[in-house]
Amino acid sequence: SYELTQPPSVSVSPGQTARITCSGDALPKKYAYWYQQKPGQAPVLVIYKDSERPSGIPERFSGSSSGTTVTLTISGVQAEDEADYYCQSADRSGTYPWVFGGGTKLTVL
Amino acid sequence: EVQLVQSGGEVKKPGESLKISCKGSGYSFTNYWIGWVRQMPGKGLEWMGIIYPGDSDTRYSPSFQGQVTISADKSISTAYLQWSSLKASDTAMYYCARGMYSNSSGYFDYWGQGTLVTVSS
Repeated sequence: SYELTQPPSVSVSPGQTARITCSGDALPKKYAYWYQQKPGQAPVLVIYKDSERPSGIPERFSGSSSGTTVTLTISGVQAEDEADYYCQSADRSGTYPWVFGGGTKLTVL
Repeated sequence: EVQLVQSGGEVKKPGESLKISCKGSGYSFTNYWIGWVRQMPGKGLEWMGIIYPGDSDTRYSPSFQGQVTISADKSISTAYLQWSSLKASDTAMYYCARGMYSNSSGYFDYWGQGTLVTVSS
């Protein structure tokens, strides 16, 4: 099966920039998506098609792609951004049209 | 406003059957895919499968093929996830989500609130 690799945890102080990476062999060919999940809540889409932001998502959330790695960047991190973040994409063959990364716990110090 | 409202939590015994539901509103239910995602306690998200209510086209993750059945009743804008014989390892939160799917890839733009399934003897 296809895997997307994320760091288990990232820590930043309020007001700093958090960067969460996601690596996968098919990412040069497939879009990546990012979801935020706060404790006890359902996931929320924060970035789609590598870098597009859904309506209602703050501008401090942005996404980028370079080769086999995509990055979620949160500029000016706020305490409310503390959550688990999951990347999602697809494998090249179409067998797994939805694959999630293992998730990254963002801690705001 | 797009909403996906899932049925309530369930406590079942191993070997029992179960069907949970996800009712969509605020959009054309037949024109979007509905997917199911498992989250085991303290773990990450796992894609289980998707269905297109317009024609009931269904795709399963190889990891869940044969373990669950996904269906939909477009007349009442509701999708279902069912098990014929539950195992303790099925204990998890299950989310439904509206899917955007094309060219062998997709994403979920709206999510239900989740249904907690507990399987214990």
